[in-house]
Amino acid sequence: GAVVSQHPSWVICKSGTSVKIECRSLDFQATTMFWYRQFPKQSLMLMATSNEGSKATYEQGVEKDKFLINHASLTLSTLTVTSAHPEDSSFYICSARGVGVFGNEQFFGPGTRLTVL
Amino acid sequence: AQRVTQPEKLLSVFKGAPVELKCNYSYSGSPELFWYVQYSRQRLQLLLRHISRESIKGFTADLNKGETSFHLKKPFAQEEDSAMYYCARLSYNTDKLIFGTGTRLQVFP
Repeated sequence: GAVVSQHPSWVICKSGTSVKIECRSLDFQATTMFWYRQFPKQSLMLMATSNEGSKATYEQGVEKDKFLINHASLTLSTLTVTSAHPEDSSFYICSARGVGVFGNEQFFGPGTRLTVL
Repeated sequence: AQRVTQPEKLLSVFKGAPVELKCNYSYSGSPELFWYVQYSRQRLQLLLRHISRESIKGFTADLNKGETSFHLKKPFAQEEDSAMYYCARLSYNTDKLIFGTGTRLQVFP
């Protein structure tokens, strides 16, 4: 149990286009989802926290108009990178936290590698 | 600021040798601390947390409040332990995880 999926697993896009990444909790309801960014050989940096049905809370330095987050249901959150540029190329990872038997544990998705040309 | 420090980027040992991956945290009340592991081409997964005081895959970690440390230890390393290890803490009064910079463990045969 407690599986989190991400789609797509990798994406290549042209500069200026927008890319949407989906994060799904497959077998539990996620009241909170987190979006991280990981540069090569570096740690995970939290970008934002999203709670189902409310606006996401962004970390300092993260542009909310650049990285649009929607958490429309208890099993799905999306991250849209708008007008992507090469510097947005990175590994984006989501995690989901449920309720009940899973307590406060965060379960991580496999990540999405974004390459902007 | 709440910080998690992992001073070693890379730790290389031979199979069967003891391993200690260091983690220090900035003091802030009673922290909730975790070790996560990321094997090659796999997702991040929880290895252990300090509140459960468990041993997973032979790894243990003890919270030392005096030294503000939460080092990860294993008496005899195995090749399959080769991975990235991240120490993390739950941010005080929130549900955010703060990660250290990670330590790559290489276990040679």
